[in-house]
Amino acid sequence: DAGVIQSPRHEVTEMGQEVTLRCKPISGHNSLFWYRQTMMRGLELLIYFNNNVPIDDSGMPEDRFSAKMPNASFSTLKIQPSEPRDSAVYFCASSSARFLPYGYTFGSGTRLTVV
Amino acid sequence: AQTVTQSQPEMSVQEAETVTLSCTYDTSESNYYLFWYKQPPSRQMILVIRQEAYKQQNATENRFSVNFQKAAKSFSLKISDSQLGDTAMYFCAFFISNFGNEKLTFGTGTRLTIIP
Repeated sequence: DAGVIQSPRHEVTEMGQEVTLRCKPISGHNSLFWYRQTMMRGLELLIYFNNNVPIDDSGMPEDRFSAKMPNASFSTLKIQPSEPRDSAVYFCASSSARFLPYGYTFGSGTRLTVV
Repeated sequence: AQTVTQSQPEMSVQEAETVTLSCTYDTSESNYYLFWYKQPPSRQMILVIRQEAYKQQNATENRFSVNFQKAAKSFSLKISDSQLGDTAMYFCAFFISNFGNEKLTFGTGTRLTIIP
């Protein structure tokens, strides 16, 4: 089991550019979560999917952020246009719906720097 | 809405000593789950220990144990015989399993440093 795989590990981009973060959940997991971690706000849930369907996107900060899960093995988080305040570590996590109360498995995160 | 509060931003302790990290939470739910996650400098989020609210017995995992006080809404983590590898950020987290509200809510974290 390779765990939750996120790419890239680091991303540096210029303000105004489009950024796409990628996540491959653990095979068989049908719940997927995107979190953002900053010093000021800690870990915030942005959006979560169950069976590829977005269930709660109330944490998505604004329309510049969008997330998709076209199939059970892939999800993307896109920021367009990016701004310096989007700089953060973005985590993807997955779990089986039956095992949600047992905790999630997190990826290693993508550190995004917008200059 | 559920909230999780960790009132100790930073702590340090000598190697081999015991340290306790505090966490309080607020909820109107009666059935929920509590977690402690560890985030070492590698950035990986690692599940340390888990507690089910309906269980009175405190969870233990080797050197890690919790003191769960449901009435007080308190969930502290005790690390015994601390090791250098325990140096990390520790996050307390709260989960309820209601369809449409199945999300893990994190506290702001405690940065723990183990001093050689």
